[in-house]
Amino acid sequence: GAVVSQHPSRVICKSGTSVKIECRSLDFQATTMFWYRQFPKQSLMLMATSNEGSKATYEQGVEKDKFLINHASLTLSTLTVTSAHPEDSSFYICSARDLSGGAEETQYFGPGTRLLVL
Amino acid sequence: GQNIDQPTEMTATEGAIVQINCTYQTSGFNGLFWYQQHAGEAPTFLSYNVLDGLEEKGRFSSFLSRSKGYSYLLLKELQMKDSASYLCAPMDSNYQLIWGAGTKLIIKP
Repeated sequence: GAVVSQHPSRVICKSGTSVKIECRSLDFQATTMFWYRQFPKQSLMLMATSNEGSKATYEQGVEKDKFLINHASLTLSTLTVTSAHPEDSSFYICSARDLSGGAEETQYFGPGTRLLVL
Repeated sequence: GQNIDQPTEMTATEGAIVQINCTYQTSGFNGLFWYQQHAGEAPTFLSYNVLDGLEEKGRFSSFLSRSKGYSYLLLKELQMKDSASYLCAPMDSNYQLIWGAGTKLIIKP
């Protein structure tokens, strides 16, 4: 199946700093990538949809100025958490849609990034 | 509104069969996905149904009835490594996945 990588897998930072998370589709091109956040024992929450070459579409309640998304190429999307605070501590997961296969709508997930803001 | 209904938790015995049911309501429908998520890890794709009927893939099968807004995931010959959460995720008219909290499956020896 399609492979999606994320980096870093784990990050600890001080409150007020910015953190960048990279999401890469390794063996396919992804015109659309998705960024999710998941708190312990809760469901995945879609934060934004990232489209290559255009601005990301943010879900209601997600601050676009705080969570900066850049989808510069067909294989890379980045999420930058600006001025992170302890309440931003969470599991951030990206997914990418592989358009080359039969199930064009299938989303493949990266391994996730665990962010801890002190 | 859009919602997913799955049991919160199920327990089954190693080697047995378990069926995880899912009912859903969405604005439009473009298929339904099942994902497996181990604790502390990201979801992994299991199956995709867009037409009514049963899709079999090894030990896992998934069934869909669009008219009833119902799907199930059937796991056979359960193994300890199958202990995980199973997420039913229908896709709405905007091709957006709708997520519930999933079903935590506990396998006992």
